[in-house]
Amino acid sequence: EAGVTQFPSHSVIEKGQTVTLRCDPISGHDNLYWYRRVMGKEIKFLLHFVKESKQDESGMPNNRFLAERTGGTYSTLKVQPAELEDSGVYFCASSQERGWLYGYTFGSGTRLTVV
Amino acid sequence: DAKTTQPNSMESNEEEPVHLPCNHSTISGTDYIHWYRQLPSQGPEYVIHGLTSNVNNRMASLAIAEDRKSSTLILHRATLRDAAVYYCILGHTSGSRLTFGEGTQLTVNP
Repeated sequence: EAGVTQFPSHSVIEKGQTVTLRCDPISGHDNLYWYRRVMGKEIKFLLHFVKESKQDESGMPNNRFLAERTGGTYSTLKVQPAELEDSGVYFCASSQERGWLYGYTFGSGTRLTVV
Repeated sequence: DAKTTQPNSMESNEEEPVHLPCNHSTISGTDYIHWYRQLPSQGPEYVIHGLTSNVNNRMASLAIAEDRKSSTLILHRATLRDAAVYYCILGHTSGSRLTFGEGTQLTVNP
């Protein structure tokens, strides 16, 4: 089975620009999560979708970040406008129902560099 | 979220067993113990998880203390490919997120 796929693998943008990250979860996984690791810090939860609905977005840092999952399939995470402190690695994960019981599958991440 | 404590780093030799400890003294009765690992330039990878009983899979074994306040991830024969950061995480049945700590950096020597 195909894993969780993230595009692009790397992105370098200037401060103030917009970047959109994409995540394709494992087919049939209703649960989709975004995490990120910024420089020197631990991996932090951003938000959780169940199908197309945002179940928990308490980890989103501010309103410059917008996540969508139209149709309940792939998801996008847009950063607009990007700031220097947004640099880091953004991970997407998906799970069947009850990920705490069956485990979560992560993508390889998108490394975002804001200059 | 209940907290876990792991050593910052551990070292092992190739083809020897590795025991990675984790303390979780504030674990609740419904918390599952998850282990993930992150290889360089990759996303976290599921290793194993359990609730009360010891668990075995093709990757590793998980030994859970009787009081559940600690657990040990066991790699039976370490390989160079096992060099990674290993995270011990408590997964609550009512929650959906994983709370990562700093993990244990495992170095495997040839």
